[in-house]
Amino acid sequence: AQSVTQPDIHITVSEGASLELRCNYSYGATPYLFWYVQSPGQGLQLLLKYFSGDTLVQGIKGFEAEFKRSQSSFNLRKPSVHWSDAAEYFCAVVIDNTDKLIFGTGTRLQVFP
Amino acid sequence: DTGVSQDPRHKITKRGQNVTFRCDPISEHNRLYWYRQTLGQGPEFLTYFQNEAQLEKSRLLSDRFSAERPKGSFSTLEIQRTEQGDSAMYLCASSQPGQGGLNTEAFFGQGTRLTVV
Repeated sequence: AQSVTQPDIHITVSEGASLELRCNYSYGATPYLFWYVQSPGQGLQLLLKYFSGDTLVQGIKGFEAEFKRSQSSFNLRKPSVHWSDAAEYFCAVVIDNTDKLIFGTGTRLQVFP
Repeated sequence: DTGVSQDPRHKITKRGQNVTFRCDPISEHNRLYWYRQTLGQGPEFLTYFQNEAQLEKSRLLSDRFSAERPKGSFSTLEIQRTEQGDSAMYLCASSQPGQGGLNTEAFFGQGTRLTVV
């Protein structure tokens, strides 16, 4: 079945540590790929997106993600996490031209000082 | 433009009552989406408009749910005879296709949190 998988439900890191959030998708073709962040009680904000071209994508707030076709993955990274990065992170795909997003179940990031 | 706005932000209703939510998209966006997000889950697609036309509905959208976008601007989502299982965050998003209809960024509102008691 077509799906987006975020295997880590909850991740805890210390402030200043590096971060990698995993995302895998299961589709026949390469979909458009997105990472969104959601703070408590808020809507979703786009961090970055991949459509084509360079497989390393830079986003806002110092985040980047790398598309690996061979692994059907689009992992999100940040070299040094700030306390304000604590939030829920969602990986999502678009598989047709409607811009309809299909989301993973999310990874909750907790940051300790 | 202040982005996508949703009203109300919170709604508590008794089981069996009808509720209606409103979404005002970014003014130049012709695509509007409704999603539902339950606790611990990612948002799930409900329905999608291009201008005033409702082009796709998810199987999640039972007969008790109806959405409209009468003039291609704001949209309403109505739930009739609410059930406890309808308790969720209802998110609205809008987007404007780029050149050639290519996918672009969807902007989300802050959502309406519905609690059915």
